[in-house]
Formats: sequence, C-alpha cells, structure tokens
Amino acid sequence: DAGVTQSPTHLIKTRGQQVTLRCSPKSGHDTVSWYQQALGQGPQFIFQYYEEEERQRGNFPDRFSGHQFPNYSSELNVNALLLGDSALYLCASTGTYNEQFFGPGTRLTVL
Amino acid sequence: GESVGLHLPTLSVQEGDNSIINCAYSNSASDYFIWYKQESGKGPQFIIDIRSNMDKRQGQRVTVLLNKTVKHLSLQIAATQPGDSAVYFCAENRAAGNKLTFGGGTRVLVKP
Repeated sequence: DAGVTQSPTHLIKTRGQQVTLRCSPKSGHDTVSWYQQALGQGPQFIFQYYEEEERQRGNFPDRFSGHQFPNYSSELNVNALLLGDSALYLCASTGTYNEQFFGPGTRLTVL
Repeated sequence: GESVGLHLPTLSVQEGDNSIINCAYSNSASDYFIWYKQESGKGPQFIIDIRSNMDKRQGQRVTVLLNKTVKHLSLQIAATQPGDSAVYFCAENRAAGNKLTFGGGTRVLVKP
C-alpha cells in the first residue's frame, strides 16, 4: 500500500512565477490537507480539501489555491511567487480516526 | 493567541537512556493531540496520538502523557536509539475539522 506521494521532489522558480504541486493520498483516504513548512519551523496549515471542495483554510493569501480531483488527488497552486514562499510544502491525507499521514514534501525554492 | 509550543528546542540523550519531550498547548477546547517525528529531508512521520478523554497512551517504546489541567503533553521514548535522532513535533487537532496546529519542534540528538 503506497503512502502519500508528492511531486515534484524539488522545484526552483523565480519571483512572480506560478507553481503547481501535486499530491496523491493514501489508498482509501478522501481528505487532503496542505501545509507549508519554513526552514526550522513547524508546518503551517494552508487548506484542506474534501469531496473536491475547500473545507477549511488557514491564514494564507488568495495567491494560494487548490483543487481536488474525483480520485481524491490534489493540487496546490501558488501564483505571483515571493521569496518568502520558499519552503517545504507538505500534503497529508486523513485516516479513519482523523490521524493525518504526511507525504515526503516538495521543496520549493524561489529566487 | 492560541498556540502549541515546545519547552526545549534541543535535547541531547545518551544512547539507551530514556527521552522526554514536552509540549504546552493553550486551547482548552483541543481534543486530539499527535506526536510526529521528522527526519532530515522527509515529511513528518506519525508516532502516536492521544484524545482528550485519556491521560496516557503507550506504543512501541513510546508513551504519550496528557495533563489537561495544565495543558501539557509529553512524549517519552524508552531506550533511545540512534535512529530516534530527529525533530519531534506535537500537533493539536481541534474539534472543528482536521486542521493541525504544530509547535516549533524539538531536535533530539542521540549520543553513542
């Protein structure tokens, strides 16, 4: 049984560009959450998707948007990239008892 | 504001000793807590969780204690091994939805 998978592993972009990150949840999990983890800090909640809709959102600007597909996979889009968007972006899927399992993350560097 | 935090940023432990990592939370309405282990270059790995109707839960070499009176939880690792070297996060999952709020993390260094 594959765990949560994310792609790409690493990404380098320049300021002002747009980026799309992808996530596939664990088999049987229908809820996907995205987190941003700056270097040396704990992950910060961005938003959560369930039944193809955004169910909860953290304190992130509208430049951060997402999507969930019928197969429960999800995308995170960030527009107009800023240097401060450089971070590890984590995807988590939710299990039966509300435990969250994380993927390996995508390391985004904005130059 | 509401937060989940950790008391010690770095913990050095002799191999074979027990480790104790502490965490404070401020939202008395929180009902679910999770400990994660994060190794360099990897995503957080689920270790153990506890719900607010419990005060202790044990796993394999790990024990989580929850003290709701002082809003404190701890993770105990028995017979710490080199593979336990990592950053450990506590996270709070509040009743309304599955949004996790993380603390800043404690780095555990296991000395041989």
